[in-house]
Amino acid sequence: EDQVTQSPEALRLQEGESSSLNCSYTVSGLRGLFWYRQDPGKGPEFLFTLYSAGEEKEKERLKATLTKKESFLHITAPKPEDSATYLCAVQVLRGGSYIPTFGRGTSLIVHP
Amino acid sequence: GAVVSQHPSWVICKSGTSVKIECRSLDFQATTMFWYRQFPKQSLMLMATSNEGSKATYEQGVEKDKFLINHASLTLSTLTVTSAHPEDSSFYICSAYTSGFSYEQYFGPGTRLTVT
Repeated sequence: EDQVTQSPEALRLQEGESSSLNCSYTVSGLRGLFWYRQDPGKGPEFLFTLYSAGEEKEKERLKATLTKKESFLHITAPKPEDSATYLCAVQVLRGGSYIPTFGRGTSLIVHP
Repeated sequence: GAVVSQHPSWVICKSGTSVKIECRSLDFQATTMFWYRQFPKQSLMLMATSNEGSKATYEQGVEKDKFLINHASLTLSTLTVTSAHPEDSSFYICSAYTSGFSYEQYFGPGTRLTVT
């Protein structure tokens, strides 16, 4: 069964304390792994797409990496404004169409 | 680019009435849009896939007659919650693919529905 699992469920960091979020997946025929950021009461904001193992992408303090089984979102020297829920998603082939499947997310709180 | 809007951003309605939520892709054409529901502190729950010019595909457990979806053009999809009840109160979010290849989804800002 196709699955996406994110860990940890919640993460508290001090400002400047780097860490990583994990997204492990089991899916037949990966067609991209996507990272999003969601602030409370808002729609998710697109961050990255990774298509193949070994691929890396960076944006400010965020760096996303991909292996054959999981993806990591590394946060370097986080700031309080990085506090949000981070979601990862993959495309799952179902009924002839690719349907997005999301993990439950990691709630990140960065304390000043 | 890749902006998706939703209207209204919040709505309060009485039990038994219907509410329509609009989702528009402002700067691109979206052949496929998705409708999600999100409960507090929970992840996104896919309700249905909306394809322009055809019937929506609903996820298992989602009532087709309660949640009517219409994707009449390449830039507009609507979700109508019919005969709303308090348990339909939730945060509804739409998204759209920007192209047939990238599968990157861009999300609307969401609509908070409260049924009294």
